[in-house]
Amino acid sequence: GQQVMQIPQYQHVQEGEDFTTYCNSSTTLSNIQWYKQRPGGHPVFLIQLVKSGEVKKQKRLTFQFGEAKKNSSLHITATQTTDVGTYFCAGPRGNQGGKLIFGQGTELSVKP
Amino acid sequence: GAVVSQHPSWVICKSGTSVKIECRSLDFQATTMFWYRQFPKQSLMLMATSNEGSKATYEQGVEKDKFLINHASLTLSTLTVTSAHPEDSSFYICSARDLAGVYYEQYFGPGTRLTVT
Repeated sequence: GQQVMQIPQYQHVQEGEDFTTYCNSSTTLSNIQWYKQRPGGHPVFLIQLVKSGEVKKQKRLTFQFGEAKKNSSLHITATQTTDVGTYFCAGPRGNQGGKLIFGQGTELSVKP
Repeated sequence: GAVVSQHPSWVICKSGTSVKIECRSLDFQATTMFWYRQFPKQSLMLMATSNEGSKATYEQGVEKDKFLINHASLTLSTLTVTSAHPEDSSFYICSARDLAGVYYEQYFGPGTRLTVT
């Protein structure tokens, strides 16, 4: 069945270091979305990418969608303690009316 | 922006009792809402899709008689965990699609932490 894999599962960085999480889908996706879940919180929508090779930036966050529309990455430059949380990628599940399939998430911890 | 509320935020109940969780879209209409379950340090597992005015569709392995879903209006969906047992303890999160959105972005409620004793 359709799978969305995310690596790494955990990442511990020193404040100021960069961070990247990678997302790989077993199928071509019409779009990919990224969510952030703070500890004890709920997922919050960050961004969606639609076009092949698309790159979008949100301040220190850079999101990329692969040319084949099967992989994506999220890069954070100069991490801050406010970046702590779990980052999930998600893609549409087949043609199933808006359902999403989520990656396992990458938990980021930042040491001050 | 799209806001989804969920009530209660946490609940403790005794084994064998039922618990109702409400999910509301506050500033938009949601014909479709989704119910997820999340265990600690794990990803979100879709339980069911709630459709306004029709029966919910359940994911494989999710007991529909145990997790009753009602989507009575365009802004409210409820999940009732019937005859709860300790293994039902989990973080339950609902989400809704804003149909004004171009694609499938979902807006999540704050979640309900259920503990069954």
